[in-house]
Amino acid sequence: DTGVSQNPRHKITKRGQNVTFRCDPISEHNRLYWYRQTLGQGPEFLTYFQNEAQLEKSRLLSDRFSAERPKGSFSTLEIQRTEQGDSAMYLCASSLAGEGRETQYFGPGTRLLVL
Amino acid sequence: GDSVTQMEGPVTLSEEAFLTINCTYTATGYPSLFWYVQYPGEGLQLLLKATKADDKGSNKGFEATYRKETTSFHLEKGSVQVSDSAVYFCALSERGYQKVTFGTGTKLQVIP
Repeated sequence: DTGVSQNPRHKITKRGQNVTFRCDPISEHNRLYWYRQTLGQGPEFLTYFQNEAQLEKSRLLSDRFSAERPKGSFSTLEIQRTEQGDSAMYLCASSLAGEGRETQYFGPGTRLLVL
Repeated sequence: GDSVTQMEGPVTLSEEAFLTINCTYTATGYPSLFWYVQYPGEGLQLLLKATKADDKGSNKGFEATYRKETTSFHLEKGSVQVSDSAVYFCALSERGYQKVTFGTGTKLQVIP
């Protein structure tokens, strides 16, 4: 069991550029989640997938943000036209629906800095 | 909406001291409760959880009891070690919903 992995671990970009992050969940986990964590705060829910279906999106997920999970395995989170306020740690988590479904396992995160 | 309130840090303790980190919650339903820990440079890890009233979650010497009457889930450890230095997050998840709502985190520093 290799755990949840995220790439890249760090990203520095200029305002207005697009960025894309990848998350690979624990194998066979059918639920995948994205959170955002700013300095000194707890993670805030952005969206989640069950298999390839995106079932819930937070109001935090503006139309500049898009997430996909095309084959029900890895997921990508894209931010278009980045703004300085997008600077944060982006966390991915996965879980298995069913017994113990409430436990989410987190990846190490991707730290984004928008200059 | 749901919310979690936990004591502000940082909390600084000497090794072998007793630890309490307070956590209270507001929820519309009957949530599951969690403590997550984030060690320096690492991702969030589930420390313990409780899914119903009066349940006690425990792990690595840490304990927390689900108190429905006081809507609390305080984290305790009888004797902290330097290796416990980390940020601790209290969190909840409502039944039937997938998102986890986190508190702001409490930084613990244990000095030798």
